[in-house]
Amino acid sequence: GEDVEQSLFLSVREGDSSVINCTYTDSSSTYLYWYKQEPGAGLQLLTYIFSNMDMKQDQRLTVLLNKKDKHLSLRIADTQTGDSAIYFCAESLLYNFNKFYFGSGTKLNVKP
Amino acid sequence: NAGVTQTPKFRVLKTGQSMTLLCAQDMNHEYMYWYRQDPGMGLRLIHYSVGEGTTAKGEVPDGYNVSRLKKQNFLLGLESAAPSQTSVYFCASSYSTGQNSPLHFGNGTRLTVT
Repeated sequence: GEDVEQSLFLSVREGDSSVINCTYTDSSSTYLYWYKQEPGAGLQLLTYIFSNMDMKQDQRLTVLLNKKDKHLSLRIADTQTGDSAIYFCAESLLYNFNKFYFGSGTKLNVKP
Repeated sequence: NAGVTQTPKFRVLKTGQSMTLLCAQDMNHEYMYWYRQDPGMGLRLIHYSVGEGTTAKGEVPDGYNVSRLKKQNFLLGLESAAPSQTSVYFCASSYSTGQNSPLHFGNGTRLTVT
């Protein structure tokens, strides 16, 4: 199957920027998504980017896509303690829109 | 709208017991999915359905069965539970048409098999 990889942990101080990285292997990705999972809850869609875009900004969130390197990142500006959660990247593929491949998730810890 | 609702939230089973997890969505979505989440392994697709009356195997289907008798409901069954099925189970749904059809998730069912 497709391989989506993320680092497992990230720790930042409140007010700093967080950058969560993701790499994927299938170049036929159409949409790439970022989901947030808070303790005891399901995954909540944060943002997404279409594969023909390089960047998307949504308030404190910036998504960067480097198609050549198959690298996706999520930058959270002015990180708050409420941003502490697990962040998953996921891709859907050109030939099967409704199959999703998830990374193993990055646990973001925001220290006061 | 409630979105995607899963019941129960928690369950403890003994090895060999059976149970059914229920997922209901009120968004008129065609596609529904069952995932399991295990530490360090992300989400793995168990089974999915592209419409009422249809089901298909995902990545890790063994030991599970599913049914989609009504469009809004997707049931996951464990006929004979094993400790390896201890996990958090998530149901999700999405539209069938259009290229951008993100998954909408329920809050999960935490299952422990002893």
